[in-house]
Amino acid sequence: NAGVMQNPRHLVRRRGQEARLRCSPMKGHSHVYWYRQLPEEGLKFMVYLQKENIIDESGMPKERFSAEFPKEGPSILRIQQVVRGDSAAYFCASSPGTGGTTGELFFGEGSRLTVL
Amino acid sequence: EDKVVQSPLSLVVHEGDTVTLNCSYEVTNFRSLLWYKQEKKAPTFLFMLTSSGIEKKSGRLSSILDKKELFSILNITATQTGDSAVYLCAVDTSNTGKLIFGQGTTLQVKP
Repeated sequence: NAGVMQNPRHLVRRRGQEARLRCSPMKGHSHVYWYRQLPEEGLKFMVYLQKENIIDESGMPKERFSAEFPKEGPSILRIQQVVRGDSAAYFCASSPGTGGTTGELFFGEGSRLTVL
Repeated sequence: EDKVVQSPLSLVVHEGDTVTLNCSYEVTNFRSLLWYKQEKKAPTFLFMLTSSGIEKKSGRLSSILDKKELFSILNITATQTGDSAVYLCAVDTSNTGKLIFGQGTTLQVKP
């Protein structure tokens, strides 16, 4: 039973380019979360999605960042016109979500974005 | 603003020592408190605590919650080098998986 799969594991972009990070949740999980971890800081919630719906995006920057979880395929976190401050590890997590989550999330290994 | 604070931020011990990691929180709506272990990859779940005074135990690790004083501790006895990791404390305030994490405690266990 594969865990949460994220790719790419490492991504290097120049300022102004776009970054796309992908996340496939654990089999049977319908809830996906994105968290960002800046150097020397804890994980910060960004967005919570279910299939085809954004449930809570209160942690997403208002501009340049977007997320989706289509009916088919992985969840995508998209960062347009990246800046150096976007350099971070982006973690995806999933949960079964049936009847509400207990809070236990299953994390992927993260995608480390470096903006030059 | 909801806040989770861990202490110490880093800790160096020798194999066989016992360590206690602390997590305090100030949140408007507490649902549960979770502990994760993060080595150089995915955070892995350790414990979830919802009730005060009930100790959760898994091998050499144990954790307890005090909802009156708003803190939790994670104990590791007879530490091993494989326990070296960042230990993350998080609070669930909405039952939706939107966790508020502390900064983490970096534990290094020397042989």
